[in-house]
Amino acid sequence: DADVTQTPRNRITKTGKRIMLECSQTKGHDRMYWYRQDPGLGLRLIYYSFDVKDINKGEISDGYSVSRQAQAKFSLSLESAIPNQTALYFCATQSQNTGELFFGEGSRLTVL
Amino acid sequence: AQSVTQLDSQVPVFEEAPVELRCNYSSSVSVYLFWYVQYPNQGLQLLLKYLSGSTLVKGINGFEAEFNKSQTSFHLRKPSVHISDTAEYFCAVSSYSGYSTLTFGKGTMLLVSP
Repeated sequence: DADVTQTPRNRITKTGKRIMLECSQTKGHDRMYWYRQDPGLGLRLIYYSFDVKDINKGEISDGYSVSRQAQAKFSLSLESAIPNQTALYFCATQSQNTGELFFGEGSRLTVL
Repeated sequence: AQSVTQLDSQVPVFEEAPVELRCNYSSSVSVYLFWYVQYPNQGLQLLLKYLSGSTLVKGINGFEAEFNKSQTSFHLRKPSVHISDTAEYFCAVSSYSGYSTLTFGKGTMLLVSP
C-alpha cells in the first residue's frame, strides 16, 4: 500500500460544485502539504500544515480551503469550483529529519 | 524568500549521451536542495538531496548533482541516459530554518530518443 494515498484519483465536475480531495498517510509525519501542478508552471503550494493544530496558506490559496482532521488526514476543498482550477493536485508529507517530501499519486481534477 | 530557476524547459538527448539539467536558486539563508523526478502519469519521487557535507551528491538511477554555493547552482547530471529516463525533473530548495516549505522550479522535461 502507498504511504500517501489520495482520493479520488480522477474527478470531473461542473462549475460551481463543491469538491473535496482527500489525503491520508501512514508515514507518521506531522507535516503535510497540498500542491497544484499545471503544465509549464511546476508545483505551486496551496496550503500546508505543520501539525494538527496548524494550518498555513501557500502562494495560491484563494478559492481553496483545507482541514486537518488528524495527523494522518489532510483534505483540500474547493467550495465553488471554477474552470481555472482544472489541474493535477498533489498531497505530500515531509520528514522533519531530512526535509524530504513524500508525494501521493495525484488527483486529476477537471472543472467544466 | 527563496526561488528556483530551471533554465531549460525541455532537453532532448539521444540514448547513451550525457546530460546536464541546470538549476539555480536564490535564498538569503543557507539551503537544502533536492531533485525530484516525475515519470509519466505518476507522482514525484526523490532523486537526490543535498543537506550538508560533500558537495557532490549521488542519487538513484545513476544521477548525481553538484552543489555550488558561489554560483548558487545545483545542476543534475548523468553520464549516459536511457530511454527510461524520459521524465520531468524538478529542482527544489528549502531554507535551513526548521525545514521550511519547499519551493519548486518549473521543471525540465528530459526527452531521450533512440
